[in-house]
Amino acid sequence: NAGVTQTPKFQVLKTGQSMTLQCAQDMNHEYMSWYRQDPGMGLRLIHYSVGAGITDQGEVPNGYNVSRSTTEDFPLRLLSAAPSQTSVYFCASSDRVNTEAFFGQGTRLTVV
Amino acid sequence: GNSVTQMEGPVTLSEEAFLTINCTYTATGYPSLFWYVQYPGEGLQLLLKATKADDKGSNKGFEATYRKETTSFHLEKGSVQVSDSAVYFCALRDPYRAGSYQLTFGKGTKLSVIP
Repeated sequence: NAGVTQTPKFQVLKTGQSMTLQCAQDMNHEYMSWYRQDPGMGLRLIHYSVGAGITDQGEVPNGYNVSRSTTEDFPLRLLSAAPSQTSVYFCASSDRVNTEAFFGQGTRLTVV
Repeated sequence: GNSVTQMEGPVTLSEEAFLTINCTYTATGYPSLFWYVQYPGEGLQLLLKATKADDKGSNKGFEATYRKETTSFHLEKGSVQVSDSAVYFCALRDPYRAGSYQLTFGKGTKLSVIP
């Protein structure tokens, strides 16, 4: 079972560049979310979606955009990368019945 | 709002020692509680969960009991192994909150077990 797949695993960007972090799940989960993990901060919610066509902001949304055109995919876009966005990014999915969230392997992003 | 507080790390233990990682929470309703584990270089995996008061979650020798009266969900293991070295996150999901699929995480506790 693939579960939640994130690409790429590693990325280095220059300040001002844009990029998209990909996330796909094959479990037909309604709910998908993006977190960033920083030392001493735990995981903080960036954006989430409760279904195709529906997205909303989390705790730290500035500098990021999302869309959800299909149930399976939930890409995260960095519009103009800044060094403060250097972090490890995790995508997660869950469904209405099972309270467990399934996480991808993460994307380690460095902005120089 | 909801919040999770867990003990600061890092925690270093010898193999076969007893482990406790404290976790307390604040929530408006009756949340579900979780412990997630992150091994080096990997994503988070669910370790155990409890969905109502007095429930005990258990997995791989780890246990945690949902204590509503003390708003706590402490993680315990009787005898740790080197392979338990990881970062442990306590988290809650509040079904009464708008956007109720969201997880609120503690900051994580890094555990190192030495032979």
